[in-house]
Amino acid sequence: EIVMTQSPATLSVSPGERATLSCRASQNVNYNLAWYQQKPGQAPRLLIFGASARATGIPARFSGSGSGTEFTLTISSLQSEDFAVYYCQQYNNWPRTFGQGTELEIK
Amino acid sequence: EVQLLESGGGLVQPGGSLRLSCAASGFSFSSYAVSWVRQAPGKGLEWVSAISGSGGNTYFADSVKGRFTISRDISKNTLYLQMNSLRAEDTAVYYCAREGGYGGGVMDVWGQGTTVTVSS
Repeated sequence: EIVMTQSPATLSVSPGERATLSCRASQNVNYNLAWYQQKPGQAPRLLIFGASARATGIPARFSGSGSGTEFTLTISSLQSEDFAVYYCQQYNNWPRTFGQGTELEIK
Repeated sequence: EVQLLESGGGLVQPGGSLRLSCAASGFSFSSYAVSWVRQAPGKGLEWVSAISGSGGNTYFADSVKGRFTISRDISKNTLYLQMNSLRAEDTAVYYCAREGGYGGGVMDVWGQGTTVTVSS
């Protein structure tokens, strides 16, 4: 099973600033990496797929990068609605696996 | 509108069984794989199981293999998760999620979830 490790566990950032979230895979997943956002009491929402492609309706301030085992989600100029938990997920191999999540909180 | 709606959650005793349903609407149900993903209270997301669009291929996490089965009824546009020999650690919100809108494995549409509590 591929283990996905996200860092940091919690990230405190002020509105308007940039946030950088990391995700590391225990083995090569090529570009088969997605990012999801989850707010309290809600289902996850797809943000990024293919490591760097934004899903429909996702604002341009969200960007993804990386390949292989190292990935990054960057949120430029944080808005109030961006404070949430973010998960990465690999879909290169079975079983699908998620990272443990990064909580993005208001500083 | 593309939508998934889970049902069937509830309180069940350890060792008991429960069947979850996920009703799909607004898209060609048989064209997409669907996954079940769960989230224990205060914890992260855990992929549980998936089934191909045709239903011919199924996949399970090791934590549920041999206890859970997944199936789909194309005529009813409904996905099922049969959960047997339930344990306390199966307590979670269970989401169904469509795969394939952006390629296999990418979960682009999610239901609102149904809660399963395993307790005596």
